[in-house]
Amino acid sequence: AQTVTQSQPEMSVQEAETVTLSCTYDTSENNYYLFWYKQPPSRQMILVIRQEAYKQQNATENRFSVNFQKAAKSFSLKISDSQLGDTAMYFCAPAAGNMLTFGGGTRLMVKP
Amino acid sequence: DTAVSQTPKYLVTQMGNDKSIKCEQNLGHDTMYWYKQDSKKFLKIMFSYNNKELIINETVPNRFSPKSPDKAHLNLHINSLELGDSAVYFCASSQGLQGASGYTFGSGTRLTVV
Repeated sequence: AQTVTQSQPEMSVQEAETVTLSCTYDTSENNYYLFWYKQPPSRQMILVIRQEAYKQQNATENRFSVNFQKAAKSFSLKISDSQLGDTAMYFCAPAAGNMLTFGGGTRLMVKP
Repeated sequence: DTAVSQTPKYLVTQMGNDKSIKCEQNLGHDTMYWYKQDSKKFLKIMFSYNNKELIINETVPNRFSPKSPDKAHLNLHINSLELGDSAVYFCASSQGLQGASGYTFGSGTRLTVV
């Protein structure tokens, strides 16, 4: 069974600043994928970024980037130049063992 | 074009009733899932189907029965609804069991049992 820990239940950041959301996980798989999903108040689950565990290079997607440390089983999300529209719940989710397992989420508030 | 569509979006019903939630995807994916999100926003997998075959059946009461008539559809039927079943139910799909390209979610069905 996989476990996913997001140690920051809530965070806030000023508009245009940078924020990092942390995530650690545990899996016995060697080949897997990792995702960050965003859930705004509309409740839609939106894929933010994905990382392949066998790739050492950290994924980036515009203002979003990850710091993936495979040995430490750590997968943090960095949001640069935060925007008001980034206000949402963020979920870390490794995909292994034929399913996506979610962390408890971090509620991010971007303040003007 | 909605990639994963769920109906209904909202469902309010009385305890003891039976209800169904329908899900359809037009992405050509071969794997579909049902997730439950509780009031604390925690998301937990319930079922997954790959090419109409049940792959994952987590510890879910027998009152919940998924049905996959074809690869593009995965419906969820719930018998004898209880107050504790109130939650948001998400359908999702992916290509392959590992979901390498990511999982695409429907917009969710908020079920309220009164």
